Amino acid sequence: GAVVSQHPSWVICKSGTSVKIECRSLDFQATTMFWYRQFPKQSLMLMATSNEGSKATYEQGVEKDKFLINHASLTLSTLTVTSAHPEDSSFYICSASLDGQSGANVLTFGAGSRLTVL
Amino acid sequence: GIQVEQSPPDLILQEGANSTLRCNFSDSVNNLQWFHQNPWGQLINLFYIPSGTKQNGRLSATTVATERYSLLYISSSQTTDSGVYFCAVVGGTYKYIFGTGTRLKVLA
Repeated sequence: GAVVSQHPSWVICKSGTSVKIECRSLDFQATTMFWYRQFPKQSLMLMATSNEGSKATYEQGVEKDKFLINHASLTLSTLTVTSAHPEDSSFYICSASLDGQSGANVLTFGAGSRLTVL
Repeated sequence: GIQVEQSPPDLILQEGANSTLRCNFSDSVNNLQWFHQNPWGQLINLFYIPSGTKQNGRLSATTVATERYSLLYISSSQTTDSGVYFCAVVGGTYKYIFGTGTRLKVLA
């Protein structure tokens, strides 16, 4: 089955530093990946759509200069949180869609990355 | 955009009990998935079910697209079923929008 690998699982950093999170599709090619953010006891909020070979599409209210997304290959998308601040502490989850039967768009998720900014 | 509401928001069950989780959406959808988020945050795909009924072991799901809702049934619940259940839908765009979630706790 489709597997999405995400790392690091946990990261603690100092305020002002940048953190990179990687998302890989292990056994399929993903032209499109999605980055979500989840605060404690809340639902998942879509941050941006990552498109291989082109610029990411950001959702309204998401700062594209703070959350840099790069989709360099068909199996790798990265999210860089630049100049992180404590309010950026959250659970970040990537996903990729796998076209199943009849062109079904089925989402598979990575295990998530918990960011804590001190 | 599409609004996705889930009910109940919280549910506590005794092991062995059955339950029904509901997902209502405000517009027609092309895709719908049910996910289980375990205590470590991992989202597991349970069903891809834009319409009709599917079953997988103790779990089954039904989506009535014309009436804009989907149901997830859990039978003979186990403590390992605890976690948060999300439905997510795709409407006019390619993007999945997540529901508000149902937090389930199964007691031994």
